[in-house]
Amino acid sequence: DAKTTQPPSMDCAEGRAANLPCNHSTISGNEYVYWYRQIHSQGPQYIIHGLKNNETNEMASLIITEDRKSSTLILPHATLRDTAVYYCIVRESGAGSYQLTFGKGTKLSVIP
Amino acid sequence: EAQVTQNPRYLITVTGKKLTVTCSQNMNHEYMSWYRQDPGLGLRQIYYSMNVEVTDKGDVPEGYKVSRKEKRNFPLILESPSPNQTSLYFCASSLTGGVPYEQYFGPGTRLTVT
Repeated sequence: DAKTTQPPSMDCAEGRAANLPCNHSTISGNEYVYWYRQIHSQGPQYIIHGLKNNETNEMASLIITEDRKSSTLILPHATLRDTAVYYCIVRESGAGSYQLTFGKGTKLSVIP
Repeated sequence: EAQVTQNPRYLITVTGKKLTVTCSQNMNHEYMSWYRQDPGLGLRQIYYSMNVEVTDKGDVPEGYKVSRKEKRNFPLILESPSPNQTSLYFCASSLTGGVPYEQYFGPGTRLTVT
């Protein structure tokens, strides 16, 4: 699976949009971009995933650049409960892609 | 409510005393997996199962056993626990093992081996 690079930490004011970047410059054509988050030692929680197109769900939006070498997770109105470590993961489709490889992620702190 | 449950949530035990951590999911998922999380090392996969009676090693399987006799259950067995198995353990499941299906994680089991 392609390697990802994320900033170690970010701050965001409560109520503002949180934009979390991820670089995956070696991504291949059949690899999906996934985002998970982990709130203080709880089980990781799935947020969103995408292949080429931008995606939106009730939690967040995922913007993938046209060359697919980077992406941004957007939390439109961050709350204190969004304080967590956010992981960007690239996974290949097909046989053998059974595990999630978690890196160090970005620690997002939402500030009142 | 769709969920992955783990028991116990907290466990303190002594070296060599066999223990089992249970994991159960109510979503009829085929794929289940165990991870451990340690400071500075992130989450690492221990074992996974693609379906009933099908299991395989992850990145750190030494010292662990698993079984998958029923679709909903995937227990993690430590036959002779050692202090280096002190960790936070997570069970996860998904519809199938491959993309694009997301994995659902349990709440975690914090194990201390003295």
